[in-house]
Amino acid sequence: AQSVTQPDIHITVSEGASLELRCNYSYGATPYLFWYVQSPGQGLQLLLKYFSGDTLVQGIKGFEAEFKRSQSSFNLRKPSVHWSDAAEYFCAVGGSNDYKLSFGAGTTVTVRA
Amino acid sequence: DAGITQSPRYKITETGRQVTLMCHQTWSHSYMFWYRQDLGHGLRLIYYSAAADITDKGEVPDGYVVSRSKTENFPLTLESATRSQTSVYFCASSESQGYVTEAFFGQGTRLTVV
Repeated sequence: AQSVTQPDIHITVSEGASLELRCNYSYGATPYLFWYVQSPGQGLQLLLKYFSGDTLVQGIKGFEAEFKRSQSSFNLRKPSVHWSDAAEYFCAVGGSNDYKLSFGAGTTVTVRA
Repeated sequence: DAGITQSPRYKITETGRQVTLMCHQTWSHSYMFWYRQDLGHGLRLIYYSAAADITDKGEVPDGYVVSRSKTENFPLTLESATRSQTSVYFCASSESQGYVTEAFFGQGTRLTVV
């Protein structure tokens, strides 16, 4: 069965500091990985996705993520956080023979001035 | 407007009542999904559909019913609402390519069962 673990429930970061959100997945076949962001009261928006190829993927809003097969991880990073990055972030996994996504529990990011 | 629309955005209902949450998408995506979002659980899949008249259970289907007579609509019905079904419900859709692609989400419906 596929599953996603986001170890950090809540992260607080200062504006301008770097941010890294952890994601570990379990999937029996080739994983397709996603990061979504949810602003308060809103739906989910795709930040980036990884299907194959270069293991470092760039997304919107200055985010990037690195796929590490040996560690079953797909961590999300941003070099310099803006106050507007305060949101909830979800990692999700699907696969080449599956059209459903499984989501992690999410990480809430608070940005302090 | 193009996109995926959920209605209502907010709903309060009483225990035991039937309630239907609506979902409409304008992209003609084959796949549609219903998730519920609860604190500490993230998003859990309730039901999904690969095409009109094809639906299947997800992770937490008990107490819910879906139908999909038209490609663009995927309503979710709570047959007899319980307090444990208080949640935020998200509908999503994605293209059909034989594997998972980007899922597009609606704005969500916040349901409170009292």
